[in-house]
Amino acid sequence: EAQVTQNPRYLITVTGKKLTVTCSQNMNHEYMSWYRQDPGLGLRQIYYSMNVEVTDKGDVPEGYKVSRKEKRNFPLILESPSPNQTSLYFCASSRTGGETQYFGPGTRLLVL
Amino acid sequence: DQQVKQNSPSLSVQEGRISILNCDYTNSMFDYFLWYKKYPAEGPTFLISISSIKDKNEDGRFTVFLNKSAKHLSLHIVPSQPGDSAVYFCAASVIYTPLVFGKGTRLSVIA
Repeated sequence: EAQVTQNPRYLITVTGKKLTVTCSQNMNHEYMSWYRQDPGLGLRQIYYSMNVEVTDKGDVPEGYKVSRKEKRNFPLILESPSPNQTSLYFCASSRTGGETQYFGPGTRLLVL
Repeated sequence: DQQVKQNSPSLSVQEGRISILNCDYTNSMFDYFLWYKKYPAEGPTFLISISSIKDKNEDGRFTVFLNKSAKHLSLHIVPSQPGDSAVYFCAASVIYTPLVFGKGTRLSVIA
């Protein structure tokens, strides 16, 4: 089954404790992306990757890091999480940029 | 600067009637437009798309209309069903560049 998976689905952490949210797709897609969804703000792009070893900032990259060492994986790293990063995070992938994206189920993060 | 705008945060429609969700954009370079549907606790799912060379695309109960001169697209759902209650996101792109999303419209279909 073609899918995008994210782990964990729910995470509660404390300010400053480094965390990683994993994202994996099995569709051999070149393009992967991370979004956060906040009330009244819709989906805002954090980082995206057009291909392996190619990443670029989205609209709200501050406080986040990503890496794309393999085509299928695109982890999101919060080196020092802060409460304003409490949000719902989605990973997505598509064949190329600008095409229909397929979203993961989301990761709900609470930073205390 | 919001390139894709959904000016109605919410919409309520009676079951069986037509739902019309609207989206405006500012970037005339956009050549591909999509609608996504999102239920609570799930990721957005692709619903329907249209390329800039067309002005209408239908898929069952869902039709997307594109008015390039007005930089406006709309999603029509006929007839609306309670299961259509969700948040709908409009998105647009220029080929090979990231999708740009609107803030979403919450549709409630009342039985």
